[in-house]
Amino acid sequence: DVKVTQSSRYLVKRTGEKVFLECVQDMDHENMFWYRQDPGLGLRLIYFSYDVKMKEKGDIPEGYSVSREKKERFSLILESASTNQTSMYLCASSLSSGQGRQPQHFGDGTRLSIL
Amino acid sequence: AQSVTQPDIHITVSEGASLELRCNYSYGATPYLFWYVQSPGQGLQLLLKYFSGDTLVQGIKGFEAEFKRSQSSFNLRKPSVHWSDAAEYFCAVGLYSSASKIIFGSGTRLSIRP
Repeated sequence: DVKVTQSSRYLVKRTGEKVFLECVQDMDHENMFWYRQDPGLGLRLIYFSYDVKMKEKGDIPEGYSVSREKKERFSLILESASTNQTSMYLCASSLSSGQGRQPQHFGDGTRLSIL
Repeated sequence: AQSVTQPDIHITVSEGASLELRCNYSYGATPYLFWYVQSPGQGLQLLLKYFSGDTLVQGIKGFEAEFKRSQSSFNLRKPSVHWSDAAEYFCAVGLYSSASKIIFGSGTRLSIRP
């Protein structure tokens, strides 16, 4: 079974801090994704990566950056945290073959609160 | 533009009753379709997927879904729900892209009445 592990289940940070969310997958997947989930808005894609050191912006990249130095690890960075970034953050991974047929496998999420 | 609509924000059904969750998509070609479930405090788990062939697909936990091209729908069904089915359900469409991006609906929250 695919295992996607997010380093923290709950995180509390202060406004203006630099925040790192870490995600590791163990199935050698090429693609990795970061979403945020807010009530009534579903999942919104922040960034995704299709290879090491490769990244693309999703639908809501403002205020975020990402890093993928190794295939198994994908980090989400909040450069200067703000209260409107309080949310549930979900990491996912998938294989790249099949042009859209591949399901994404999700971690359990990090509930981030910015005070 | 591609989109996924789940018209029901919240549904309550009695335990043992049948269930149908609605999903409509907008996509230019035959879509790749998924249903995911999210239990409270958890990530999303894949229930089932449709790519081609038989339009009725079976998934885990006793769920099934039917693809109807004429209605652009992919509704999720279960003949008899259990209290453990209480969760949020997301319909999604996979995009033809090298990065296997998926567009998710806004979700339907399912509550079970004892």
